[in-house]
Amino acid sequence: ETGVTQTPRHLVMGMTNKKSLKCEQHLGHNAMYWYKQSAKKPLELMFVYSLEERVENNSVPSRFSPECPNSSHLFLHLHTLQPEDSALYLCASSQDGQGRGGYTFGSGTRLTVV
Amino acid sequence: AQSVTQPDIHITVSEGASLELRCNYSYGATPYLFWYVQSPGQGLQLLLKYFSGDTLVQGIKGFEAEFKRSQSSCNLGKPSVHWSDAAEYFCAVGARGTSYGKLTFGQGTILTVHP
Repeated sequence: ETGVTQTPRHLVMGMTNKKSLKCEQHLGHNAMYWYKQSAKKPLELMFVYSLEERVENNSVPSRFSPECPNSSHLFLHLHTLQPEDSALYLCASSQDGQGRGGYTFGSGTRLTVV
Repeated sequence: AQSVTQPDIHITVSEGASLELRCNYSYGATPYLFWYVQSPGQGLQLLLKYFSGDTLVQGIKGFEAEFKRSQSSCNLGKPSVHWSDAAEYFCAVGARGTSYGKLTFGQGTILTVHP
């Protein structure tokens, strides 16, 4: 148990589908993050929420839409994705909002777009 | 902009041998530094973190890292590698003074351990 739970673990979706990824943490952390991990590329920061407010959108296409309804939950809504969006999507949280304690990561959602 | 370079994409060592994984960073000031490990199909687990002070930092699982400001490096080491250490290792830097702790990651080093 890592403290950050992501569901589903695996997702296969067509390019016309709409799906959502869910992330949940009960660590009392103040900041939550979405990262994309593709083969042979560094982790790419997608979105940052601090105290439930989106503080960074790292030039992510609009087909990815984040939502943070409260400090414990983070969603990533997906629609009309492309095959190149297939990747491991990682959620993370940090305690103090400055990341000094490092991140706690979830196990990720392996997304395949067909 | 800050950047992180892990020069070695893949390293192979024998079980019981010592290990050093390299990490170089580019940043205008002393950043926060982290090492993470990722097993296949899993998320990343924090091994250790450096903020300030002592340049040798102890982490979990017997890992340690040496921060060298003059070389902008923070290499990860372990005196004796175990087969269970086979995984991918990521170095990351964080900017001081930000309000939300954004981390920049290196490309990772895959460690293979031979029996």
